[in-house]
Amino acid sequence: GNSVTQMEGPVTLSEEAFLTINCTYTATGYPSLFWYVQYPGEGLQLLLKATKADDKGSNKGFEATYRKETTSFHLEKGSVQVSDSAVYFCALSDAGGTSYGKLTFGQGTILTVHP
Amino acid sequence: DSGVTQTPKHLITATGQRVTLRCSPRSGDLSVYWYQQSLDQGLQFLIQYYNGEERAKGNILERFSAQQFPDLHSELNLSSLELGDSALYFCASSVARDRVWSTEAFFGQGTRLTVV
Repeated sequence: GNSVTQMEGPVTLSEEAFLTINCTYTATGYPSLFWYVQYPGEGLQLLLKATKADDKGSNKGFEATYRKETTSFHLEKGSVQVSDSAVYFCALSDAGGTSYGKLTFGQGTILTVHP
Repeated sequence: DSGVTQTPKHLITATGQRVTLRCSPRSGDLSVYWYQQSLDQGLQFLIQYYNGEERAKGNILERFSAQQFPDLHSELNLSSLELGDSALYFCASSVARDRVWSTEAFFGQGTRLTVV
């Protein structure tokens, strides 16, 4: 079945540091890939997405590139802010079989950014 | 605001009881998904409805059931509750239709269920 593996956390950074959160996946077919963010006490928000190989998703300074050859979708940001502190989830959308867009999530990575 | 509304936001109930969680999807979205977020299991897909019909089932217990009504709102029913059912339950909706799988889902704020 489909699966998503994220780097183990939590991740603690100082403001303006470079961020990488690793994500690899296993899937049949051609899934779409997503990063969701969950701020404290809130629901999940879509951060960015990529629907095919070599696509780059970007939003709010975050980027991730869909790498089919390495089955990866690593999240990066050049300079993090305190307001980026949240839980980040990598996910894939099942593109085949009898599942109509359900998401398979990684375990989540807690990011804390200190001033 | 994602446009997906979940009620109630918090629920505290005793073991053995039954509760109903409600979800109103974004206007025009036909697909509704339910997910459970717990500390030990992470985010897990429970069940999906499309235009009133069940389409996909994940790790949903037999004590749990769901339905989607003609106005497209959905309810998740949890019965014979156990302490381990304490979790955050999310509803999501999307415009995903037959043969179009890759659209993103929009999540509600969740219902935090505490079983005591």
